[in-house]
Amino acid sequence: GAVVSQHPSRVICKSGTSVKIECRSLDFQATTMFWYRQFPKQSLMLMATSNEGSKATYEQGVEKDKFLINHASLTLSTLTVTSAHPEDSSFYICSARERSRFSNQPQHFGDGTRLSIL
Amino acid sequence: AQTVTQSQPEMSVQEAETVTLSCTYDTSESDYYLFWYKQPPSRQMILVIRQEAYKQQNATENRFSVNFQKAAKSFSLKISDSQLGDAAMYFCAYGAIYNQGGKLIFGQGTELSVKP
Repeated sequence: GAVVSQHPSRVICKSGTSVKIECRSLDFQATTMFWYRQFPKQSLMLMATSNEGSKATYEQGVEKDKFLINHASLTLSTLTVTSAHPEDSSFYICSARERSRFSNQPQHFGDGTRLSIL
Repeated sequence: AQTVTQSQPEMSVQEAETVTLSCTYDTSESDYYLFWYKQPPSRQMILVIRQEAYKQQNATENRFSVNFQKAAKSFSLKISDSQLGDAAMYFCAYGAIYNQGGKLIFGQGTELSVKP
C-alpha cells in the first residue's frame, strides 16, 4: 500500500530555532500534500495545501512566514517552522494524495511529528 | 462551507459487542466522498472505510460498515464484534470532488474505549 514517511518523529528544541519537517511519499507520486496541526484530544486542523511546483495554499489564520512550505518534487514536501516559540509546540501531520486521473484517491498520512519548543 | 460534526466526544463498548459512531455533515455539493479514520494512541491516521456519495450501497470493510443517509447528511460507522484493538479516536471526514484541492474536512472526533 501507499506509504508516507514523515521525519523527524520527535523534535525538542530551544525557542527561536527553526525546525524543518519532511514528508515523503515512498512508493507513489503525490502532486498534492497536506499539512495538519493537532492539539491533544482535538481534531486535525488543516494548515496548508502543498502542490508540486507551485506555492502552497494556506488556510485562514495560518501565518505563511511562520510556516514555510516547499514542495519541490512529486515525492517530497517540507514544512519549516521558523523562529519557533513554545506556542508552536504541537503534533504536526502530513498527508499525500496519489497522483491519479481519478478524483477518489484517499489521503495517506505520515506518522506525525511531535514538536516541543522549550 | 462544508462542516462535519461528531456529536459524541466519547463512546464505550464491551468487547465483542457492536457500537455505532455518529457523524453528520453539511454541504451543498451533490458529489463528494466521506471517510472514517482511526487514530490509535500511536497517532497514526488509519483509513477505516470510504463512501462515495453517488453510491447508494453502504460501504463495508470486514467488521466495519457505514449507514450513509445522503438526504439526512448522516454517515455513521458501525463496528461489529468490537475488539480491544479498536480502541482509538475516530474521525469522520468529508472530501470534495470538485474544487477544494482535494482537502479533507474532519469532525471533532469520537474517542472509543473497549472494555474487556
